[in-house]
This record gives sequence, structure tokens and C-alpha cells, in this order.
Amino acid sequence: AQSVAQPEDQVNVAEGNPLTVKCTYSVSGNPYLFWYVQYPNRGLQFLLKYITGDNLVKGSYGFEAEFNKSQTSFHLKKPSALVSDSALYFCAVRDGGDDKIIFGKGTRLHILP
Amino acid sequence: DAGVTQSPTHLIKTRGQQVTLRCSPKSGHDTVSWYQQALGQGPQFIFQYYEEEERQRGNFPDRFSGHQFPNYSSELNVNALLLGDSALYLCASSFGVSNQPQHFGDGTRLSIL
Repeated sequence: AQSVAQPEDQVNVAEGNPLTVKCTYSVSGNPYLFWYVQYPNRGLQFLLKYITGDNLVKGSYGFEAEFNKSQTSFHLKKPSALVSDSALYFCAVRDGGDDKIIFGKGTRLHILP
Repeated sequence: DAGVTQSPTHLIKTRGQQVTLRCSPKSGHDTVSWYQQALGQGPQFIFQYYEEEERQRGNFPDRFSGHQFPNYSSELNVNALLLGDSALYLCASSFGVSNQPQHFGDGTRLSIL
């Protein structure tokens, strides 16, 4: 069965510093990977996805993620954090042979001014 | 271009009651998925509707049922409500059953007393 792990409940980063939010996954087939962000009392907003191709995927708001097949990881990164990046971030995976998407439990990102 | 809309935004019910939540997908989308997000958790997949049929289902009891209408809008019904059903219910839409990212509504906050 497919699964997603986000090992950090919370990540604190100073404004202007690079940030990384970690995600590892487990699927039986080819993984389709996604990152979403959730602001208070709102639904999830799509940031980026990996389906196939280049391992470095660029997305919205300056975020990017690196797919690493050998480590089964898909970490979210940004070169310079903004206070407005503070939110809840979810990694999600879809097994290529399945339709349902499995979400991680989320990582709360705090950007300190 | 309206995004995914959900109604109502908030709902309070008592144990044993029944509830119906509604979702209108983003314009051009024909697939609707429903998720349950408990406090402090990631969204849990309930089921997905495509061409008015339940295409796939997560690990939820039969008390959870749904419907998709010819205009692609959808309803989520929950019978015999339990305290544990208190959560944010999210609807997400996409085009076809594909690798396109899902667009989420802001959810319905359901509280069971």
C-alpha cells in the first residue's frame, strides 16, 4: 500500500534563509508526487508535482522539489524564505496504478522575521 | 473563473443525525474527490466520482456515501453521525482521471455534538 511520511511536525527558518521540508514515500509502482500548502481555514493549494522527467521540479511562489528515486524522497525547497511562506505543507503521492491520492500528516512551517 | 465551491461552510449536528455536504467543481473539471481532514492531520481520501459513478473508495464505512450529478457537482452524505466524524470535509476537482493536480475548495467544517 502506498504511504507518505513527513518526519517533521514543524520547521522553523529565519526569513531570507533557505528552507527544506522533508517527504519520503512508498509505492509499489511509479510514484506521482505532489506538494500542497494550506493556510488557516482554507483548502489546499497546489504548489508543484512530479510525474516524470527532470528530478528537479519548479513550482509556484519560488518553491521547488527534488525527486530522489533511490532515497524515495521528494523534499520541498526554497532558496530564500519569506514570512508569508508560513503555513501548513502537505506532501502527497499517487501510485501510478491507482487513483487515490495519499497525503502526509503535514509539516507546519514557521518563517521567523 | 470560479474555483471549487463547497456549502455550507460550517455545520453543527448531533450524534445519530444525517448530513449532506455539497460541492461544485472548478469550471472544466469533471472529477470530484472527497477528503476528511481531522484536526492536526492530513486529508484522508473518502471516495472519487467520475462520470456519475464512484470510481474509487478509501477506508471509510458505508455510512459515507456520495453522488455526482450530470453537471459534475457532487454531494457527500454521512448517516448515523458519530463524534469522530467531526472534521473539515474537503472537496477537490480535476479534469479526468489523470495526473493533473486537484483543485480544492475551502471545505465544510462539521462539528458533531
